[in-house]
Amino acid sequence: QSALTQPVSVSESPGQSITISCTGTSSDVGGYNYVSWYQQHPGKAPKFIIYDVSSRPSGVSNRFSGSKSGNTASLTISGLQADDEADYYCSSYTTSSTLVFGGGTKLTVL
Amino acid sequence: QLQLQESGPRLVKPSETLSLTCTVSGGSVSSGSYYWGWIRQPPGKGLEWIATIYYNEDTYHNPSLKSRVTISVDTSKNQFSLRLDSVTAADTAVYYCAGHGTWGTVAARLSRFHPWGQGTLVTVSS
Repeated sequence: QSALTQPVSVSESPGQSITISCTGTSSDVGGYNYVSWYQQHPGKAPKFIIYDVSSRPSGVSNRFSGSKSGNTASLTISGLQADDEADYYCSSYTTSSTLVFGGGTKLTVL
Repeated sequence: QLQLQESGPRLVKPSETLSLTCTVSGGSVSSGSYYWGWIRQPPGKGLEWIATIYYNEDTYHNPSLKSRVTISVDTSKNQFSLRLDSVTAADTAVYYCAGHGTWGTVAARLSRFHPWGQGTLVTVSS
């Protein structure tokens, strides 16, 4: 199975919004509403921030939102803060009853 | 609150077997509330799902690693484990254990990794 495709890096200024894309196929992202997103700060374990494409776990800021169109899922972060600077990973369930991650996106808050 | 902690050798020789254990606290591996999984991250690279197990020993594997991976659960010790055979330098990574979501269909639950252990770096080198 191939990794989902994410931009390697994105950057934006504090207070602005940014969207990170995650592109798969009809066998994963496009076929199921089971896309999750994770935030990872350097040296730390990933943190679960979005599930089922657009739902937020308890305690996660409403500045984080998710969506999907066709084979591409997206994570939007609004009102960017310095602490949002991190790596972001998407993942999806697949038709083979397996899981696949995206390659990760490094977010820089300028 | 569910917490997970990885343990095992930090250095493994090429061609040998990597063995890791995840100890679960604040919950029971046999309760059926969670699926249990392993994920790894080579230095400076992205996340890769390895395998997942349920308390009834239903298992799910990354096809690219399946031939070398054994995942198991030990309800008496409240642990689950990973074995990766015939390792090479490419298996050097931070290995994380994680729980999978507690509600919904199997597919929905498998898609959610939470909580995570802190991770342990395993280096394959002679």
